[in-house]
This record gives sequence, structure tokens and C-alpha cells, in this order.
Amino acid sequence: DTGVSQDPRHKITKRGQNVTFRCDPISEHNRLYWYRQTLGQGPEFLTYFQNEAQLEKSRLLSDRFSAERPKGSFSTLEIQRTEQGDSAMYLCASSPQGYTFGSGTRLTVV
Amino acid sequence: GESVGLHLPTLSVQEGDNSIINCAYSNSASDYFIWYKQESGKGPQFIIDIRSNMDKRQGQRVTVLLNKTVKHLSLQIAATQPGDSAVYFCAETSTDSWGKLQFGAGTQVVVTP
Repeated sequence: DTGVSQDPRHKITKRGQNVTFRCDPISEHNRLYWYRQTLGQGPEFLTYFQNEAQLEKSRLLSDRFSAERPKGSFSTLEIQRTEQGDSAMYLCASSPQGYTFGSGTRLTVV
Repeated sequence: GESVGLHLPTLSVQEGDNSIINCAYSNSASDYFIWYKQESGKGPQFIIDIRSNMDKRQGQRVTVLLNKTVKHLSLQIAATQPGDSAVYFCAETSTDSWGKLQFGAGTQVVVTP
């Protein structure tokens, strides 16, 4: 058990490009969450998976955002046609056992 | 709307002293609370949690207190060390919210020698 792993750690992209982030949760954790965090703020919930089923999506998750967890293990978060307002830290967490977070992916849209 | 918030945005504490970080919540349905520590460039690190059927829980150098009457949560850090310098968040959730955490804005703790 090596904790929640996120890749990449940093991503710089030009406005209008698509980006995809990956999260590998703690093995056998059936719940997986994506959050977004902007500077000086607490993380904001984006979406939640139980196994492979996406059970809840925040209103923050516009139609440019899509998340998948095809086999109930790792998850991907894709942002299409990125905008400067998408610049943030994207965090993944899994549970049970205290909602463990990964180190995040820092996205900068230029 | 309902929210989680912190009273103090920045807390400066001398090394060796005790720190107290406060948090107010307004969602009466919340029944599980967590304190996280976040260092620059890292994800939130779980510190301690407490369920609504408890008033107090202790860990190693940390204590969380829950006052449901006034919807108040606090984190006490004993003998604060330089390594405790970070941003601290409280988060709340309820059993009927799929474990979705709602965070406050955070408190920056600065430990001075």
C-alpha cells in the first residue's frame, strides 16, 4: 500500500488544449473522489466513484470535464478545451480509512 | 448556504507552545469531521478525525474537540514544532452524502523559534 498516487505532478498547457490526469487510489479502496483546490482555498468536491460507478458530480464539473474509473481501480479526469480558470490543483482521494489524499496535479493554463 | 469556516486565517505560535485552531460548521446533518494538514505543494494529510457521537479524541500531540451545541470544532497541537508549520483545514461530511467532504478556507500556522 503506497498511498494515493497522482500523475502528472505538474502540467502546463495552452488554453484550448485537452488534458488528462490519472489517479491510482489505495488498493481495494472502493470509493474515489476528485477535488479541485485553488490557492488559499480548501479543496472543492468535483465527483465521486464507488467502484466503477460515478455516483455524484458537482455543479463545478462543467461539460468540459469528464471522469472515468473503468475497472474500479484507477481513475482519469479529463478537461477539454482548457480555460485559464481551470488552473488549480486537482486532488484525488480514496476511502475508507480516513479519506487519504494524493499529492495532486498542479494544472497551469497559459 | 451551509459552510465550514475558520475563525483565524493565520496563527503565529512560538515553538514549544500549544496551538489551537478553530472551525465553525453550520450543517447540522454533518456527523463526521476530519482535520487535515497541508504543506506547500502537497496534498492534504489526514491528522485526526472525530464522529458526532464523541466530544473529544486524542492522537499523538493532537486533540480534536467537538461541540455540537454551537457547531464548533477545534484542533489542539501540543508542544508545537517547526514541522507543524502548514495550512490546517477542517472538513465535514455526513453518512448520507457519499463521504463528500466540505472544507473551509484553512488556517495558516506559522511556528516561530
